[in-house]
Amino acid sequence: KQEVTQIPAALSVPEGENLVLNCSFTDSAIYNLQWFRQDPGKGLTSLLLIQSSQREQTSGRLNASLDKSSGRSTLYIAASQPGDSATYLCAVTGGGNKLTFGTGTQLKVEL
Amino acid sequence: DTAVSQTPKYLVTQMGNDKSIKCEQNLGHDTMYWYKQDSKKFLKIMFSYNNKELIINETVPNRFSPKSPDKAHLNLHINSLELGDSAVYFCASSQDQRGGLSGANVLTFGAGSRLTVL
Repeated sequence: KQEVTQIPAALSVPEGENLVLNCSFTDSAIYNLQWFRQDPGKGLTSLLLIQSSQREQTSGRLNASLDKSSGRSTLYIAASQPGDSATYLCAVTGGGNKLTFGTGTQLKVEL
Repeated sequence: DTAVSQTPKYLVTQMGNDKSIKCEQNLGHDTMYWYKQDSKKFLKIMFSYNNKELIINETVPNRFSPKSPDKAHLNLHINSLELGDSAVYFCASSQDQRGGLSGANVLTFGAGSRLTVL
């Protein structure tokens, strides 16, 4: 059974700082890994998707890496802004196109 | 235009009642999902439908009955509501190839429906 863990559970940083969110998964037989953002009272927004054959994906100030063999992914956020404050979720796609989510990292970027 | 819309956004009801949450997507996707996010913010899949056919049923109690009248709609009906059903329910859709190894199933989520059972 796939289990996805995210560390830390919560993180508070000053504006402008670079930061890394971590995600680990127990079963490396995945098709892809996605990072989502969830704002309070809203749905999830897909940020980045990394296929199992890829090592990383970049979008603006976001960079996600994937090491499938070790079951790890990181989301790097450069020059953080208060608008980045949200909960970040990683999810892996396994058999049956089923997503398994991590418990999330709640990020707060302070002025 | 909202891509995946859910109604109602908030629902407060008594134990034992029957309620429904509706979901519609206008993206032309073939697959729709229901996810449950509990009080600890843990998101877990409940069901997925591909072209009105049930694909995934994650050992959800049979008080929960999804209904897909067409591929743009996936409604969730819950009978005999219990306190533990209180959660935020998210609908999502994707353009998947059923049974294939596409892996390119980017999900689009609705804004969620917060159900509170008293």
